[in-house]
Amino acid sequence: ELKVEQNPLFLSMQEGKNYTIYCNYSTTSDRLYWYRQDPGKSLESLFVLLSNGAVKQEGRLMASLDTKARLSTLHITAAVHDLSATYFCAVDNINNNDMRFGAGTRLTVKP
Amino acid sequence: KAGVTQTPRYLIKTRGQQVTLSCSPISGHRSVSWYQQTPGQGLQFLFEYFSETQRNKGNFPGRFSGRQFSNSRSEMNVSTLELGDSALYLCASSLLVGAGELFFGEGSRLTVL
Repeated sequence: ELKVEQNPLFLSMQEGKNYTIYCNYSTTSDRLYWYRQDPGKSLESLFVLLSNGAVKQEGRLMASLDTKARLSTLHITAAVHDLSATYFCAVDNINNNDMRFGAGTRLTVKP
Repeated sequence: KAGVTQTPRYLIKTRGQQVTLSCSPISGHRSVSWYQQTPGQGLQFLFEYFSETQRNKGNFPGRFSGRQFSNSRSEMNVSTLELGDSALYLCASSLLVGAGELFFGEGSRLTVL
């Protein structure tokens, strides 16, 4: 069964600092997604990574995918308060044709 | 273009009742997936519909059911509600079945008393 693990689950960081969120998954997949969820809101798609070595950047966020290591990273550069949210990674579960989500990383950026 | 629309946004039910939630996908999207989100279990896949057919199903009891109409709109139904069914129910649409970027609605927050 496909398992998707994120770490850390909780992250408190100061504005201006850099940090990385990690997403490991247990079976072969070459499609990985990152979503953002604000409190009480729905999930917003951030990145779609479709191949080994894929790297995408949007503002202060950069996501990468290593399918051989079954690892994706979401790197935050010079964090600002507006980035405070919960970030989910998700992987296409080929066996069941669904998308399997990690537990989410709750990010809090403090001034 | 309009996003995924879910109704109702909030509802309160009592144990034993049933509930129906509705989802209208993005125009042109024929796949609709449903997820349950709770603090304890996170996001769990319920089922996916494509062209009015259930294509796959998560590990939920038969009290959870759904359907899709010819215009791709979908409904999910939960019968004999239990306290543990309290959750945010999220609908997502996509162009592809079983894969691809999901576009989520705002969700229906169900509270069971």
